[in-house]
Formats: sequence, C-alpha cells, structure tokens
Amino acid sequence: GGIITQTPKFLIGQEGQKLTLKCQQNFNHDTMYWYRQDSGKGLRLIYYSITENDLQKGDLSEGYDASREKKSSFSLTVTSAQKNEMAVFLCASSTRTGGAEQYFGPGTRLTVL
Amino acid sequence: QQKVQQSPESLSVPEGGMASLNCTSSDRNFQYFWWYRQHSGEGPKALMSIFSDGDKKEGRFTAHLNKASLHVSLHIRDSQPSDSALYFCAASEAMTNSAGNKLTFGIGTRVLVRP
Repeated sequence: GGIITQTPKFLIGQEGQKLTLKCQQNFNHDTMYWYRQDSGKGLRLIYYSITENDLQKGDLSEGYDASREKKSSFSLTVTSAQKNEMAVFLCASSTRTGGAEQYFGPGTRLTVL
Repeated sequence: QQKVQQSPESLSVPEGGMASLNCTSSDRNFQYFWWYRQHSGEGPKALMSIFSDGDKKEGRFTAHLNKASLHVSLHIRDSQPSDSALYFCAASEAMTNSAGNKLTFGIGTRVLVRP
C-alpha cells in the first residue's frame, strides 16, 4: 500500500498573501490532482498533472498555480488569498489506467483572515 | 448545471436498515462511475466502481448502473453507525493522453445511521 501526505494540515493566512500547499505520494503513481472542497459544492478540480512533466488546468484554476517538482510531489500555490476564504484542499493520485481509482490525502484546511 | 447530480442531499436510516443513494449524469461522455465515501476529518476513499450496465455487489454495498439513462445508484444493506459519512458519486470519460483520468464529482449525500 501507499500513503499521501499533505502539509500543512491547517493553514491560516492573511488577505493577499501567497500561500503554498504541499503533497507527497509514495504509490509511484503517474498522475496527481488538486481539488478544492467547499461545503455544499462537492469536490472541484483545480489542477492536475498526468505525468511528471505535465500540468493541466481544471475547472477552478483561476487564482492558483501548481508545480510538479518530481513524480512523487505536487504543490499548489494560492496566488493571492481572499478574505473569508475557507475550504479544504485535497490532493489525490492515480495510475494512468482508464477508470483508475484516485487515492486521496487527508486535506489541508485553509482559513484566510 | 452540475454534470453529476446526487439525491437526496441527506439521508437518515436506522441501524440495520437500507440506505439508497442516487446519482444522475448529464454528460454522455462519462464511461466510468465511482462511489467515494468521506468520514469527517478525512479525505474521500473509493468505495466501489461500476463501469458496465447492471448490478455490482461488494459485501453490504450494491451499485447499479443504467448507461442509457446515465443513472447510478448505491444501496447499503444492514447499515452500520460506521457507514455515517458523506458519499460522493464521481464520473470520468474514457482516458486520453490529454485528459487523463479526470473525475467529476457530485455535491454528495450525507448519510446518518441512527443506533
């Protein structure tokens, strides 16, 4: 088995601040994803990376940047945090097989003051 | 419009009872369907997948897919308090080099199993 680690678990920032969330996986999966989870809105895809040198925008990429540093790590940057923004950011990984299961980390909870 | 719609929003069932969750898609490109479960404070975890028409049973969980109507359901038999969680339906298209395995999630159904 494997595990996905997300750091930090809780992130508190100021309005306008640039904030970075990190994700590591030891499944040796090719593909990694970042989702945002808001209450009542399900999970929405922000960015994903099909292979180590790839970066693709999801439905919610505005206001975010992402970086796939190596096969096992994928970072997400909030370019300018918005006041009253509160959400959980979830990292996931999967193989490239069609219909493959995605494995999720425990999430980073963001609060912007 | 949400491409994957779930109902009901919440559901309360007695311990030992049957919970039934529904999911409908509006995108005929979706080929693969998943049910994910998320307990409070954790990330979602895959419960089961269903890719072909008909029923698929895994223990107390049975999923049903009707591709013609793009309807997927999940039935939980003999519900346990540990089944109390947020359940997501998710769908993806056939994998391509450019799209990968992108999943589109519904907003979830919150299930409460009453002891």
